[in-house]
Formats: sequence, structure tokens, C-alpha cells
Amino acid sequence: NAGVTQTPKFRILKIGQSMTLQCTQDMNHNYMYWYRQDPGMGLKLIYYSVGAGITDKGEVPNGYNVSRSTTEDFPLRLELAAPSQTSVYFCASSHWSSSTDTQYFGPGTRLTVL
Amino acid sequence: GDSVTQMEGPVTLSEEAFLTINCTYTATGYPSLFWYVQYPGEGLQLLLKATKADDKGSNKGFEATYRKETTSFHLEKGSVQVSDSAVYFCALSAHAGGTSYGKLTFGQGTILTVHP
Repeated sequence: NAGVTQTPKFRILKIGQSMTLQCTQDMNHNYMYWYRQDPGMGLKLIYYSVGAGITDKGEVPNGYNVSRSTTEDFPLRLELAAPSQTSVYFCASSHWSSSTDTQYFGPGTRLTVL
Repeated sequence: GDSVTQMEGPVTLSEEAFLTINCTYTATGYPSLFWYVQYPGEGLQLLLKATKADDKGSNKGFEATYRKETTSFHLEKGSVQVSDSAVYFCALSAHAGGTSYGKLTFGQGTILTVHP
């Protein structure tokens, strides 16, 4: 049971390039989330999904896109990378949507846009 | 909107010292409250949680009590170890008639360094 896995661990992009951050969970969780963590700041929600085929925006969705074609995978797409997207990105999942439920986090992807 | 405020860091302590990290929140209704910990190079993991007023969450010697009257959820440990060095995040998840979808609102994090 690997939990939540993310690839790549590190990436450097040039301004205007595109990339996809991969996230996979093997816990059969319905709910998945993407957060970004900026230095000295808490995590902010980018997008979330309540099940395959259903996604919605979080607090900071601009510049990102997501899809959820399977229960296991929830990739995050950056179409035109900007320096403001330099951050650490965390994927998380939870079994239920209840506010009491625990979220399980991946190890993160550190992205630098130059 | 919902918000979480943590005490400014970083916090540096000697081993066996007492730890308090303050956390206060603003939310509509009665949120669930969490402390997550991030060890160097790793993702976040749940440390403890409390889901209603006066509940006490505890784990690995850490404790926090949900105080509705002061809207606080301060983290405490009686005797810290070097292995407790990490970043600690206070977070809330709002009860909102089932529409919150478990979304978390985080504080800015507090870096704790414990020296031998």
C-alpha cells in the first residue's frame, strides 16, 4: 500500500512551458485535492475532485487544469508556466467528504519556473 | 471566509522543553480542527484532530483541545525530542451542510527545531 504518490519530485520549467504533475492513490479514496505551498505560507487549495469525472475549483485555480478519469489518478496541468507558479505542490486524498475525515498527502513536487 | 492563524515561528527549543504552538481560527459554524506535521522532505501527515467543542486530540505525546469560546486549538507537548523537529500546520475543515467536501484551510505553519 503506497498511499499517495506524486511524480516528479522536482522540476524546473521555463516561462511559457507546460507540464503535468502526476498524482496516484491506491486507497480507493473518492476525494482528491491539489494544494500549493508557498514559502512561509500555509497550503492553498487549487482544485479538488469528489469522484471520477467530477472536479471543481478551489481557492487558487488560475493557471491550472485538472481531470479525473479514474478513481486512482488526479493529474494537475500547468499550461503556460509563470514564475508565480514556483511552489511546492501537494496532492491529497480522503475516503469521505466529511469535515472530520483525514486527508492523506503525497510527498510533494517542487516546481521552479524561471 | 474561514481562516487559521498560527503563532509566528520559527520556534527553537532544547530537548525536554515544553512546547506550545498557538492556533486560532475564524469559521462559520463548528469546524473540525486538525494539526498536521511535515517532517523534512516529506508530505504532511495528520498528527491529531478534534471534531467538536471541548474535544481533546492527542498523539505521540502531543495534545490540543478544541476551545470554542476562545476559537483556539493550541498544540502542546510536555517534553520535546530532537525527532519532533518539523513544520506544524493547524487546519480546519468547515461543517457546511455537507458541501464542504472536506476542504482544508491551513495556517501558515510553524517551524520547530529541537536541539540536543
